[in-house]
Amino acid sequence: GENVEQHPSTLSVQEGDSAVIKCTYSDSASNYFPWYKQELGKGPQLIIDIRSNVGEKKDQRIAVTLNKTAKHFSLHITETQPEDSAVYFCAASIGGGSTLGRLYFGRGTQLTVWP
Amino acid sequence: DTEVTQTPKHLVMGMTNKKSLKCEQHMGHRAMYWYKQKAKKPPELMFVYSYEKLSINESVPSRFSPECPNSSLLNLHLHALQPEDSALYLCASSQDGGGQADQPQHFGDGTRLSIL
Repeated sequence: GENVEQHPSTLSVQEGDSAVIKCTYSDSASNYFPWYKQELGKGPQLIIDIRSNVGEKKDQRIAVTLNKTAKHFSLHITETQPEDSAVYFCAASIGGGSTLGRLYFGRGTQLTVWP
Repeated sequence: DTEVTQTPKHLVMGMTNKKSLKCEQHMGHRAMYWYKQKAKKPPELMFVYSYEKLSINESVPSRFSPECPNSSLLNLHLHALQPEDSALYLCASSQDGGGQADQPQHFGDGTRLSIL
């Protein structure tokens, strides 16, 4: 099955700096890559996603890039703020058949933004 | 606020109790999911319902029994749980129940379950 690796496991940045989280996947059939933010006591919240026919997507301070050849994708957060502090999960999905679009998650990155 | 509502938010139960977790969504989604999440770990898939039919059971012990009464509701019935079953139980839904990969899954805030 699909294997998703995520790095780093922890990331500390100063407010206003940029943060980058990287993920790799193993199955070239994966074609959908969401990113989730999970705050303490909450469920995972979808913050951005990208499909395999797109190389980059941006939403305000958040961007995701995808390199299908290398099988890796990254989350970029610019101008970080303390409220960006949370655990971030990447995921990959293979559609169709018995997989039913199931998500394969990375192990998560604890991002801390210091004021 | 999340569009997937889970109740209760917290549940403490003994190993001999029977309880149920509930999940509701009104987005017209046709796929619904149960996940289990331990502290500092990613969510682990337990069950998938597609068009109100159980489609995936990830070899979950029979002390967990899912039910999908209609397209908006998902239950998880619990019986004779073990202390290691203590975790955050998350419900999610996605628009298409037909196995399309690129349908975002939307999560609820979960039920924090503690087994005494």
